[in-house]
Amino acid sequence: DIQMTQSPSTLSASVGGRVSITCRASQTISNWLAWYQQKPGKAPKLLIYKASSLESGVPSRFSGSGSGTEFTLTISSLQPDDFATYYCQQYNSYSGYTFGQGTKLEIK
Amino acid sequence: EVQLVESGGGVVQPGGSLRLSCAASGFIFEDFAMHWVRQAPGKGLEWVSLISGDGGTTYYADSVKGRFTISRDISENSLYLQMNSLRTEDSALYYCTKDAGGSRPLDYWGQGTLVTVSS
Repeated sequence: DIQMTQSPSTLSASVGGRVSITCRASQTISNWLAWYQQKPGKAPKLLIYKASSLESGVPSRFSGSGSGTEFTLTISSLQPDDFATYYCQQYNSYSGYTFGQGTKLEIK
Repeated sequence: EVQLVESGGGVVQPGGSLRLSCAASGFIFEDFAMHWVRQAPGKGLEWVSLISGDGGTTYYADSVKGRFTISRDISENSLYLQMNSLRTEDSALYYCTKDAGGSRPLDYWGQGTLVTVSS
């Protein structure tokens, strides 16, 4: 099975700042990588798919990059609404859609 | 509007069984694969299982293989998860999710149904 490792597990940043979250796959997944945002008590929300494609309605301050085994989610000009937990997910094959362990983004 | 409404959660003893249901609406149900994803209290997301649009193909996480069975009833627009031999580590909020198909993964999620395995 493909394992996904996210870092860091917790991140502190200020409103207006810029942050990056990394996700590494245990084997190549091409660009079959998604990013989700989850707020407390809510279901996750799809932000980015195919590593770098922005889901409809998601602000352009969110961006994704990478391919193969290493991927990055970048949030520029942080807004108060962005403080949440972020998960990467590989969907390279139907054998399993593995998630990373999550990164909690906190206000500094 | 796509809606996914889960039901069937509750408290069950270790070794027991439970059947989760998900009522889907707002899209052509048989055209899309469906998944179950779970989240233990205060923990991260764990993919559990998927079923193809026609129900002919299923996959499971190693942690539930041989104990859980995913199924769907196209006539009822419903997704199911039969959970047997439940363990305390199966306690979680179980989400029903829709596969977007094509190049996009899970685009719609229900609000989840809570399963607690405890003696």
